[in-house]
Amino acid sequence: DQQVKQNSPSLSVQEGRISILNCDYTNSMFDYFLWYKKYPAEGPTFLISISSIKDKNEDGRFTVFLNKSAKHLSLHIVPSQPGDSAVYFCAASAYPSNTGKLIFGQGTTLQVKP
Amino acid sequence: SQTIHQWPATLVQPVGSPLSLECTVEGTSNPNLYWYRQAAGRGLQLLFYSVGIGQISSEVPQNLSASRPQDRQFILSSKKLLLSDSGFYLCAWTQVGGSPLHFGNGTRLTVT
Repeated sequence: DQQVKQNSPSLSVQEGRISILNCDYTNSMFDYFLWYKKYPAEGPTFLISISSIKDKNEDGRFTVFLNKSAKHLSLHIVPSQPGDSAVYFCAASAYPSNTGKLIFGQGTTLQVKP
Repeated sequence: SQTIHQWPATLVQPVGSPLSLECTVEGTSNPNLYWYRQAAGRGLQLLFYSVGIGQISSEVPQNLSASRPQDRQFILSSKKLLLSDSGFYLCAWTQVGGSPLHFGNGTRLTVT
């Protein structure tokens, strides 16, 4: 039972354009969502998060949107840069007192072409 | 600032051999500590977490165990490795009270 799904294994965009990474979830108890970025042979790095009481959170070039009725979240990167090329994981938590207890999606590999 | 150290970076072990992976966190006290594993082509799966010294919660039944002998030290062990234990093992921490999870650089374990 996969509670967090990233249905696109890969995405390729041109430098300067928008990258949109998508994530769907099934558990309505999830109340905290995060995006992580991972380079090969490194641990994931936290990018941005959103609480279920919000529908949008922005941090520089990164914006996360949450649609609770559709159980869908997305990460927008504008403008995309070659250094953004990495694997992106979405994650969700249903435990406000234990925010490290996360369910991760399978990841989407983003390639930004110069 | 807080840092997390995890070693070794890579490890090749024969089936049936023991395992010990160590993780330490610096610059914080009483963190929540976690072991995650990423199998090939899969997402990250939580294996164990600890909210204090000697307190271990296991999330999935498996051939592995965890221990927390000191506040900022977390150890992942196995008495006898299986081929299915191969994967990328990640230690991580959060502050009590809620903060994003922060990962170490991981250990690539290959069981042959």
